[in-house]
Amino acid sequence: KAGVTQTPRYLIKTRGQQVTLSCSPISGHRSVSWYQQTPGQGLQFLFEYFSETQRNKGNFPGRFSGRQFSNSRSEMNVSTLELGDSALYLCASSPQGNAETQYFGPGTRLLVL
Amino acid sequence: DAKTTQPPSMDCAEGRAANLPCNHSTISGNEYVYWYRQIHSQGPQYIIHGLKNNETNEMASLIITEDRKSSTLILPHATLRDTAVYYCIVRVRGGSEKLVFGKGTKLTVNP
Repeated sequence: KAGVTQTPRYLIKTRGQQVTLSCSPISGHRSVSWYQQTPGQGLQFLFEYFSETQRNKGNFPGRFSGRQFSNSRSEMNVSTLELGDSALYLCASSPQGNAETQYFGPGTRLLVL
Repeated sequence: DAKTTQPPSMDCAEGRAANLPCNHSTISGNEYVYWYRQIHSQGPQYIIHGLKNNETNEMASLIITEDRKSSTLILPHATLRDTAVYYCIVRVRGGSEKLVFGKGTKLTVNP
C-alpha cells in the first residue's frame, strides 16, 4: 500500500496570506490527524477528522481549520498567516480512528516571510 | 494521557545494541506504550507498541517492566540510519487519536 502523501512538500508564503495543505491517507484509513512541529514547541496536535467530521481539536486559534472529504482525503487551511506559523505540518492516518497505530506522512514545510 | 520521561540524548556505536529507556510511572492499566522515531525533517515513523508483554518486530524489541512503570526500546544492531529522535508515548487504545509527543531522545549512532 502507498503511504500517507502530503502536498505540497515545501511552501513559502508571506504574512497575511492564507495557505491550504493537502493530505491523502493510506488507502482504507478513515481517520486523519494533523500536527504542527516547530523547534520551540515540538510536535503539537492540531485536529483529527473521521468520516468528514472533526472529532478532536488541539489548542490552536481559529485561523487553523480543516476538512475531510468523502474519500478520506483531508485539507487544512491557515488564514492570515503569521511568522510563527512557519513549521513542518504533518498528517497522520489510522484505520478507524480508535487510537490504533497512526502512520505519518513526510510533512509540508511552510515558511512564512 | 500519562507523561513519559526520556533522556535527552544517547550515543551508540554502529553495530551495537541501542537501549533507549522510558519512564512512565503514572501509566494506567489500559494505556499502551508506543514508540515512534523521527529522522531529521521527516515524518515520525511508527516502531512498535505494547501493553505489558515484551514485543518484537523486524525493527526493534520492546521490554516493559512487570510494574509497567518503565520500558526499554532495543535496536539490536544499530546502523547510522538509526540516528533519529525517538519518542515514547503512552495512550489508551480506543481513546482519542491525539498523540502527545514529549521531547524524545536524540540517538546518535557513531561509526
